[in-house]
Amino acid sequence: DAKTTQPTSMDCAEGRAANLPCNHSTISGNEYVYWYRQIHSQGPQYIIHGLKNNETNEMASLIITEDRKSSTLILPHATLRDTAVYYCIVNGGSQGNLIFGKGTKLSVKP
Amino acid sequence: NAGVMQNPRHLVRRRGQEARLRCSPMKGHSHVYWYRQLPEEGLKFMVYLQKENIIDESGMPKERFSAEFPKEGPSILRIQQVVRGDSAAYFCASSERAGFYEQYFGPGTRLTVT
Repeated sequence: DAKTTQPTSMDCAEGRAANLPCNHSTISGNEYVYWYRQIHSQGPQYIIHGLKNNETNEMASLIITEDRKSSTLILPHATLRDTAVYYCIVNGGSQGNLIFGKGTKLSVKP
Repeated sequence: NAGVMQNPRHLVRRRGQEARLRCSPMKGHSHVYWYRQLPEEGLKFMVYLQKENIIDESGMPKERFSAEFPKEGPSILRIQQVVRGDSAAYFCASSERAGFYEQYFGPGTRLTVT
């Protein structure tokens, strides 16, 4: 079972920052937080991951709280093409397989 | 760099036929994962393979499904005697090392069983 809780859906205005929250209150000390997204009918896309420090790459920023019980994925300037289901995953199976929950359906509106 | 490739993109089979789905991982990746997404449902892990070895098949249905990743060539997911319930999108992902959750997915094969 997924170890994370995410809102079912969110809306965001085009050009604004999209902030997607994730609760992972049972995370253990050596578990990473991973974010993926799935644009309609496409294969999932890796976005970013982190352990305890904030991370940033060309796609997004990941903010992890000091107690590591929650995190926020930030898309700084959302576009219509960012409309997708976003998955927050805390590690997964012991062999590296990802365990997907229901994710957050982000709708970016003009 | 070529990403993960899957073919065919769409596959139609009649009940009782066999389906073969192929996945070529990213260059330099020797770890392949297969996932299935049933209509209106989430992604579920099926099997994890390294070259010539099945490492974890805990998500595979016990019958009719098999997977391989030969020394040369793509990984193959094989479904024998397909039934309508097998209709789904099948995605493969590859990673560069074992137990690594940063994976790169292919575009998927959409299997329709008529």
